Amino acid sequence: NAGVTQTPKFRILKIGQSMTLQCTQDMNHNYMYWYRQDPGMGLKLIYYSVGAGITDKGEVPNGYNVSRSTTEDFPLRLELAAPSQTSVYFCASQRAIGALGGTDTQYFGPGTRLTVL
Amino acid sequence: AQSVTQPDIHITVSEGASLELRCNYSYGATPYLFWYVQSPGQGLQLLLKYFSGDTLVQGIKGFEAEFKRSQSSFNLRKPSVHWSDAAEYFCAVGARNQFYFGTGTSLTVIP
Repeated sequence: NAGVTQTPKFRILKIGQSMTLQCTQDMNHNYMYWYRQDPGMGLKLIYYSVGAGITDKGEVPNGYNVSRSTTEDFPLRLELAAPSQTSVYFCASQRAIGALGGTDTQYFGPGTRLTVL
Repeated sequence: AQSVTQPDIHITVSEGASLELRCNYSYGATPYLFWYVQSPGQGLQLLLKYFSGDTLVQGIKGFEAEFKRSQSSFNLRKPSVHWSDAAEYFCAVGARNQFYFGTGTSLTVIP
């Protein structure tokens, strides 16, 4: 059981370039999330998905896009990289929330450190 | 709106000393509360969680946390800190589809 895996671990982009951050989980979790972590700012939610084909914006979605074609994969796309997107990106997954609501533990990947110059 | 406050940005303790990391939350309903630890260059690892029931919860690595509804707090404690506990600690509130994280407390352990 690999849990949540992310690739690449590190990446340097030039302004205006595009790239896709990959995230895969093997726990059959319906819920998946993308966060960015800036120094001293904690984690901010970019996008999340409650199942294949369903995505929604989080707190800081501008400049990013996501898709969820399978339960396992939740890639994050940067179309026109900007220096403000320099950050560490974490993907996380979670079991589906039950019928009565509530929440469950989120499991995190190791992160992708992105620098935009 | 949901929010989490960790008032201490950085804490330094001596090895073997006790530790308490503070967390206050704002949430309109019954909170689901979590503490995560992040070692340098790593992802977040769950230490413990509170959903309901006993307000004192035990976690991994000898950590515990106490939920106090009247104070909207969920402070993390450890009776004797080890050098390997040096890391960043995050408190979080789970609210249906989303998590809300505090800004973290960085722990330094002095030998």
